[in-house]
Amino acid sequence: EVQLVQSGGDLIQPGGSLTLSCAASGISVNVDYLSWVRQVPGKGLEWVSVMHPDGKTYYAGPVKGRFIISRDSSKNTVFLQMTSLRVGDTAVYYCASSTGWPGFDYWGQGTLVTVSS
Amino acid sequence: QSVLTQPPSASGTPGQKVTISCSGGRSNIGSYIVNWYQQIPGTAPKLLIHSDSYRPAGVPDRFSASKSGTSASLAISGLQSEDEADYYCGTWDTILDGVVFGGGTRLTVL
Repeated sequence: EVQLVQSGGDLIQPGGSLTLSCAASGISVNVDYLSWVRQVPGKGLEWVSVMHPDGKTYYAGPVKGRFIISRDSSKNTVFLQMTSLRVGDTAVYYCASSTGWPGFDYWGQGTLVTVSS
Repeated sequence: QSVLTQPPSASGTPGQKVTISCSGGRSNIGSYIVNWYQQIPGTAPKLLIHSDSYRPAGVPDRFSASKSGTSASLAISGLQSEDEADYYCGTWDTILDGVVFGGGTRLTVL
């Protein structure tokens, strides 16, 4: 059974930094496509970033240069480092994995990031 | 404004068939597979359909999907109350170099 367990959401001031974690079981973070998708409460889904199995990364325009996706194979965990946070980054962040691309086969439970002064 | 266009709402009575459309362009639906996701409010999204028309294990065959050109559609037959949820289409866009989603369709079972 695949499980993605997220942690790291918090209330953070504009301009601050935060790292989200997503611990995987039932999959290997070296083999699957690993993604982050966010959702402002009451709004639609917005893709944030993906790391391909070969390590290649892609980012959505609004977060490019501020967010970094990475993985730690020894912990089977994927991370999202977020810097220069803005009020507009406030959302529930989901991690997701998939065996094919594009796609999100399995999702984490989501973690709320609130950027506010 | 989402790159993929979905109707904001849809509705039907139990047992009916409902169809949700997803319209895009040559750089997204016209070039890549489409996936559909179901999100019950307050929960994480769930993969409903992958690769245009394939159901993952465990998804009832009441759910079906198709794609033609730059449009895709999701059909739910034999509507049940538990189908009340938000439905999203998604794919890759070669111009934006990123995943794009539809704005979502809120399905109400009357």
